[in-house]
Amino acid sequence: GDSVTQTEGLVTLTKGLPVMLNCTYQTTYSPFLFWYVQHLNEAPKLLLKSSTDNKRTEHQGFYATLHKSSSSFHLQKSSVQLSDSALYFCALSDLTGGYKVVFGSGTRLLVSP
Amino acid sequence: EAAVTQSPRNKVTVTGGNVTLSCRQTNSHNYMYWYRQDTGHGLRLIHYSYGAGNLQIGDVPDGYKATRTTQEDFFLLLELASPSQTSLYFCASSDADWGQDTQYFGPGTRLLVL
Repeated sequence: GDSVTQTEGLVTLTKGLPVMLNCTYQTTYSPFLFWYVQHLNEAPKLLLKSSTDNKRTEHQGFYATLHKSSSSFHLQKSSVQLSDSALYFCALSDLTGGYKVVFGSGTRLLVSP
Repeated sequence: EAAVTQSPRNKVTVTGGNVTLSCRQTNSHNYMYWYRQDTGHGLRLIHYSYGAGNLQIGDVPDGYKATRTTQEDFFLLLELASPSQTSLYFCASSDADWGQDTQYFGPGTRLLVL
């Protein structure tokens, strides 16, 4: 079945440094990928989404490019802020049985001063 | 913005107890979902529905029942709660749109089974 892999459970960085959170996926359908962000004691909410191959998608300083050749959708930011500390989920639309979404296990980003 | 509400926000029950979690969305979305969130596992789909009276089985359905009574309301039922069901539960809704649509999440319900 469809799956999403996030290899890092925890990423710790100092404010101002760049970050890349890894996401790879497996699907037999044309992929539609999402990044959701969850701040402490809040609900997950959409950060960005894409289905277009090799096109950069940006929102709130974060960006990601879907690469179908490598089945990847890594999330990047050039300079992290303290407010970026959160749990980040990569997700994939799974069209095999109705419209549901498969989530990765999540990567926690901790930004220190 | 889509609005999804959940009740209760916190619940404590004992092993073998009966629990109902409620979810309401006010944007006439077709799809509603129940997830559980546990550290190291991300968000795992329990059940989902594409309309009133419809129910689809998710990836971790054992021990859970669900019912969609109206377009707005989706309930998750734990009839014999076990400690392994201690978790943070999220409800979400979306318009599906061939898999492209955003999922809007409720604030979550923390369930503790003693």
